[in-house]
Amino acid sequence: DQQVKQNSPSLSVQEGRISILNCDYTNSMFDYFLWYKKYPAEGPTFLISISSIKDKNEDGRFTVFLNKSAKHLSLHIVPSQPGDSAVYFCAARPNTNAGKSTFGDGTTLTVKP
Amino acid sequence: DAGITQSPRHKVTETGTPVTLRCHQTENHRYMYWYRQDPGHGLRLIHYSYGVKDTDKGEVSDGYSVSRSKTEDFLLTLESATSSQTSVYFCAISDPGLAGGGTQYFGPGTRLTVL
Repeated sequence: DQQVKQNSPSLSVQEGRISILNCDYTNSMFDYFLWYKKYPAEGPTFLISISSIKDKNEDGRFTVFLNKSAKHLSLHIVPSQPGDSAVYFCAARPNTNAGKSTFGDGTTLTVKP
Repeated sequence: DAGITQSPRHKVTETGTPVTLRCHQTENHRYMYWYRQDPGHGLRLIHYSYGVKDTDKGEVSDGYSVSRSKTEDFLLTLESATSSQTSVYFCAISDPGLAGGGTQYFGPGTRLTVL
């Protein structure tokens, strides 16, 4: 049973528009959520995170929204840039720094010039 | 960038041979992890370590073993490689004692092909 799901394997958007990447989770013990970005032939890099005590966290062009009752989070990128083209992984963990993260399968974002 | 290196970066081997992948960190982070990434799958945890000589299994640990004799090194061994272990392997580190300690930092990956 997959506990973190990213139902869209791919997403294509035009440069300057908004990109919205979605993630659903099933485990009620998850309390801390992260997004990672991965370019080809590189390791994933941390992008942004959110704790369950918040419903929104913003960092520049990136905003993560959390709907805890729906067990759903989304990553908004505004405006999208060609350099944002990458695979985005959603991850969830218990709200302890010692907990393990569970990753989704990833969404490949393509931003067209 | 977090100081994490993986060696080798690429390896081709034959079925039945032993393989050891190395992860080395210079950040003195307490936790280290091994993941594999396959097409259509996310990052799946193989094994992790929460301190020197302290390791535990992840979700896909069958066929793999690990060792951590020093804080900076975490070894992943395939005792007898199989074609199903062809994958890209990522090492990661984290430290619960740091602010934002739930964040993991990943190495560049090792591409392993088992023929």
